[in-house]
Amino acid sequence: AQSVTQLGSHVSVSEGALVLLRCNYSSSVPPYLFWYVQYPNQGLQLLLKYTSAATLVKGINGFEAEFKKSETSFHLTKPSAHMSDAAEYFCAVSGHTGNQFYFGTGTSLTVIP
Amino acid sequence: DAGVIQSPRHEVTEMGQEVTLRCKPISGHDYLFWYRQTMMRGLELLIYFNNNVPIDDSGMPEDRFSAKMPNASFSTLKIQPSEPRDSAVYFCASRTFGVGGYTFGSGTRLTVV
Repeated sequence: AQSVTQLGSHVSVSEGALVLLRCNYSSSVPPYLFWYVQYPNQGLQLLLKYTSAATLVKGINGFEAEFKKSETSFHLTKPSAHMSDAAEYFCAVSGHTGNQFYFGTGTSLTVIP
Repeated sequence: DAGVIQSPRHEVTEMGQEVTLRCKPISGHDYLFWYRQTMMRGLELLIYFNNNVPIDDSGMPEDRFSAKMPNASFSTLKIQPSEPRDSAVYFCASRTFGVGGYTFGSGTRLTVV
């Protein structure tokens, strides 16, 4: 069975501050992990994915995430928040078939000017 | 590539009416997924197809919901009869075989009054 838990349904950061969105996974097989971003009234866009290659994954818009097997975590970070980063962020896990994703409940990021 | 195309973007209907949501996946993608998003339940997988064949419909909430994929470039999700609790944003997503994320459509916002 696979699942993800996103800690913190709402996160607020000041513009220019570090963004840290937390995701822990549970998987009975080596997981593939993903972060998606959803802007208001839009669909989900893939930010980055981990597929068992490098543990530090770089994505679009300056985001990156590190796969830590010992901590079963895949936290999303960005060194300096921008106003345009305000959105909903979803962590997801799938098995190697990739046939079914299990999404977290999402974290709403607010960037304060 | 136009991406995953969903129609309509918004649908308002009266309780008891039939509603049909439409999706055109990305050409060459052989998996298609229907998700429902609500504030209370987050993202829920309703059903997914592989090569136009329904593989897992365990997420379809009740017999009022049905989905078809008559060919590789078109899928429908039908609700008959619709109820107010069906109000949600319905997303279609597609992907090709192998490791990779989904590509989501922009969603259909359904309101049943």
